[in-house]
Amino acid sequence: AQKVTQAQTEISVVEKEDVTLDCVYETRDTTYYLFWYKQPPSGELVFLIRRNSFDEQNEISGRYSWNFQKSTSSFNFTITASQVVDSAVYFCALTPYPQTGANNLFFGTGTRLTVIP
Amino acid sequence: DVKVTQSSRYLVKRTGEKVFLECVQDMDHENMFWYRQDPGLGLRLIYFSYDVKMKEKGDIPEGYSVSREKKERFSLILESASTNQTSMYLCASRLGRNSYEQYFGPGTRLTVT
Repeated sequence: AQKVTQAQTEISVVEKEDVTLDCVYETRDTTYYLFWYKQPPSGELVFLIRRNSFDEQNEISGRYSWNFQKSTSSFNFTITASQVVDSAVYFCALTPYPQTGANNLFFGTGTRLTVIP
Repeated sequence: DVKVTQSSRYLVKRTGEKVFLECVQDMDHENMFWYRQDPGLGLRLIYFSYDVKMKEKGDIPEGYSVSREKKERFSLILESASTNQTSMYLCASRLGRNSYEQYFGPGTRLTVT
């Protein structure tokens, strides 16, 4: 069974502050993929990153960075120097590999980030 | 860019009505999905289609059916809408079984009164 936990329901930060969104997962699969999606007020989920379980290297993309730690089953997401446009709901998700059946994305419940100007 | 469109952004229906939610993707993706999003519950899979005329139940299929007559179009049907089906409905598509990213539409916020 797969489970993704995002314990932070809502976070508010002041613009230019750094913020970390936590994601903890549970899976019995030895190989899997992890994802982060952003859902702005417009409603459409936007894909941000995919990470496979073989690769624990951290990744940086502009102001975004991701910290994958298999030992603690965590895949945390940090936004540096936050901006108002970062305000959104962020979802962490997991899918097993190789794929069988639907290979659905198992989503966490999301973290609503509000960046205050 | 992948484009997934949904027929309506907002929809208000009455209890007992038959409701059709349409989703179209323009990238020749094999797989399509319907999710329901509720506060505190995240996204839950209703149905999945891996090819034309093929479908599989997701986690919460009760009260819903789907239709995929053409590759680009995936319809979600509420046979007899009920108030507990008031929710945000999100459609997604994926290239195929060996790809992993799903691309989402803008969602349809359905209210059943």
